[in-house]
Amino acid sequence: DGGITQSPKYLFRKEGQNVTLSCEQNLNHDAMYWYRQDPGQGLRLIYYSQIVNDFQKGDIAEGYSVSREKKESFPLTVTSAQKNPTAFYLCASRSKAGVRNIQYFGAGTRLSVL
Amino acid sequence: KNEVEQSPQNLTAQEGEFITINCSYSVGISALHWLQQHPGGGIVSLFMLSSGKKKHGRLIATINIQEKHSSLHITASHPRDSAVYICAVLPMDSNYQLIWGAGTKLIIKP
Repeated sequence: DGGITQSPKYLFRKEGQNVTLSCEQNLNHDAMYWYRQDPGQGLRLIYYSQIVNDFQKGDIAEGYSVSREKKESFPLTVTSAQKNPTAFYLCASRSKAGVRNIQYFGAGTRLSVL
Repeated sequence: KNEVEQSPQNLTAQEGEFITINCSYSVGISALHWLQQHPGGGIVSLFMLSSGKKKHGRLIATINIQEKHSSLHITASHPRDSAVYICAVLPMDSNYQLIWGAGTKLIIKP
């Protein structure tokens, strides 16, 4: 079945450590997105990519980095510069960055700081 | 002021009740999405609307573009409908980036 796979489901980070969250899709979608969700707040866009080897910062990109070397993969690295990384992270994809195309979501990764 | 406001923030109802969740927005939009997030965190798209009304099973979504308002209705609610329902809008001048509401937490008691 086609879909978006995020891993791991739960992740713990030590102070000063970089961690990478995986997002893989087999939907052949061009556009991929990373969101952060905090309690009581709407999703906030971290980074997005509309095509391989290209990505743009979202609203809260500081302390995060991404790569898009393959169409199906869009990993997110939470760097030590992100001082408040504890949150729920959602990856999404869309066939093309267009109005009529629905965004599909992964199951999410919950990141906590030790 | 948030550009997308949902109400209520929390809603608890008895099984069988008719549920209404509201979404108001302040920008011109190309489309509005309703999504469902279950306790495990995964999100599922329910509807995408640009005008009128859509129905899927017990779920109905309506939108009034002039009033900048949308509603999500659930008929004959069931405990399995318990989830967070999220409204998101696609502004007309956006680079296809959604603006998200904070969500409405719905609990249906048996």
